[in-house]
Amino acid sequence: GESVGLHLPTLSVQEGDNSIINCAYSNSASDYFIWYKQESGKGPQFIIDIRSNMDKRQGQRVTVLLNKTVKHLSLQIAATQPGDSAVYFCAEYSVGNEKLTFGTGTRLTIIP
Amino acid sequence: KAGVTQTPRYLIKTRGQQVTLSCSPISGHRSVSWYQQTPGQGLQFLFEYFSETQRNKGNFPGRFSGRQFSNSRSEMNVSTLELGDSALYLCASSLRGDNEKLFFGSGTQLSVL
Repeated sequence: GESVGLHLPTLSVQEGDNSIINCAYSNSASDYFIWYKQESGKGPQFIIDIRSNMDKRQGQRVTVLLNKTVKHLSLQIAATQPGDSAVYFCAEYSVGNEKLTFGTGTRLTIIP
Repeated sequence: KAGVTQTPRYLIKTRGQQVTLSCSPISGHRSVSWYQQTPGQGLQFLFEYFSETQRNKGNFPGRFSGRQFSNSRSEMNVSTLELGDSALYLCASSLRGDNEKLFFGSGTQLSVL
């Protein structure tokens, strides 16, 4: 069955440093891979997605890398800020399936 | 534009009762999805509605049901509540059902005693 897993449940990073959050997936048929951010007391918030035919996509301070050979996804956050402290979920999506399959989440803590 | 609105924010019920949760999607969004979030199982897909039709359903028992109205608002119902149903129930909407980019509400925190 489908599963999306995370390497590390927690990550602490000094403010201003870069952070990398990793994710392993098993469904090679997924069309999109997505990162969501969930702050305390809120629902997940879309950060960035990447199509399965791409290797890299950049947004504002964030970069997602997709390595289909080893079924690995990562989210890089540059120059971290206190507001980046949250739980980050990777998710996968297949067109026609109409649902997201989420990973277990990584708690990122930014140390001032 | 207002975001996804879920009511109530908190709910306490006892075993055996039933509960109805409400979700108002972003104006113009036609797809509504429901997810259950628990510390142990993470985010689990419940079901998705598009134009009042259930398009997909997760692996939850029949006690979990939902519906969508003509104005895209949605409700989910859980009957015969069990302790294990305690969770944060999240509703999310998307414009055209392209559900890789969902807009989530803040959820309803359900506690079953």
